[in-house]
Order: sequence, then structure tokens, then C-alpha cells
Amino acid sequence: EVQLLESGGGLVQPGGSLRLSCAASGFTFNIYAMSWVRQAPGKGLEWVSTIGGIDPFTLYADSVKGRFTISRDNSKNTLYLQMSSLRAEDTAVYYCTNRAGVAAAGTRYFEHWGQGTLVTVSS
Amino acid sequence: QSVLTQPPSASGTPGQRVTISCSGSSSNIRSNAVNWYQQLPGTAPKLLIYTNNQRPSGVPDRFSGSKSGTSASLAISGLQSEDEADYYCASWDDSLHSHIFGTGTKVTVL
Repeated sequence: EVQLLESGGGLVQPGGSLRLSCAASGFTFNIYAMSWVRQAPGKGLEWVSTIGGIDPFTLYADSVKGRFTISRDNSKNTLYLQMSSLRAEDTAVYYCTNRAGVAAAGTRYFEHWGQGTLVTVSS
Repeated sequence: QSVLTQPPSASGTPGQRVTISCSGSSSNIRSNAVNWYQQLPGTAPKLLIYTNNQRPSGVPDRFSGSKSGTSASLAISGLQSEDEADYYCASWDDSLHSHIFGTGTKVTVL
């Protein structure tokens, strides 16, 4: 059974930093691209970042570029999101997902999702 | 900001068929596959339809997806009370070089 377990959320002041983690199990972690998707309270889904599996790439939404860094430790089956210069508008539940499909074929989708971790940016 | 447009709400009585539209452009839906996610109240999103019309294991065949040009649709036939949820379409945008989600549609079972 695939499991994605996020942790690290909490209350942080504007301008502060936080690191989210996502522990993965039940699938071959190192071959999958992994992503973070967030959802502000009462709002829709917003893609945040993706990191490659076998193919070493990173992608970021414009809203977080230069402030957030995605990384992974394949030896620990863990995905990370280092967030800095946090703003009130970064307040959201952050979900970890594995990305399946074939990018070259135009098929990319978020297959499995964690339960999410809440990040609140407020003074 | 979403570049895929969905109606904010849709509703039907049990047993009815409900359709949700997702409108995009040539840089996203026309060029890439469309996926649909279901989010039940208070839970994480779940993959419902991938690559336009494929159902993951365990998803009832009451759910079906289609794509034509720059638009896509999700159909729920034989609507059930447990289908009350938010539904999001999603795709990749070649111009933005990013994943994009639709604005979301809340389905209510009357």
C-alpha cells in the first residue's frame, strides 16, 4: 500500500522559514518524480513544485520561485520542501504527491496523495 | 491563478447524470492530457481520471472523462450521495511550463 506522510507544518511568522518532509513507502520512490501541491483555506488546489526521479530536474510555480527549494533523499525515501521568506499568502495545507505518467507524451498526473500538513504564516 | 475554467457548482438528484466542464487553451488541454481529482469534504484530493479517460483501479465506472480540442468534461452517471465533493481538472501548460488546476466544481446531491 502506498503511503505518503507529510510533517513539519506549523505556525511561523512572516519572513520566517520552515521545512516540510514527506515520508514515502509502498512504491519504488527513487524512480518517481515527486511534487508538492497546496490548498489555501477554502480555496482550490495550486501546484507548488516538482522534483525529478531518475531525471534530475526541479520545477517551481512562479509564486514560490526563489523562496522555496524542493529536494529528496532517496536513501530515506523522503521528499522535502524548504520554505523561506514566508508570506501570509503561503498559508495552506501542503500535500505531497508522486507524479506518474510520461512527460514527453504530455501525460503527467498526481497519482497518490498524502493527508497534508498545515502551514500558517501569521504574526 | 487558474487557467482552467470550471463551473463553480453542479447538482443533481440521486441516479441522475451530472457533467462538469473544464475549459482551457491550446497551450494546455489541446497539447496535454487532462486529469480529474475528487476531494471529499475534509480529506485530501484523490485521482479520479487520468490521461483524459482512464480510471485508476477502484474508481467506479460511473465516472468517465473526455477531451475535445481545448475543453474536457467529467461525467458522473447514476449520481450517488457519496459523490458530493469538489472536483478539479488539471493539466500541464506548455507556455507556463507548469502544472495547472481548474477552478474547481462543487457537486451537490439534492
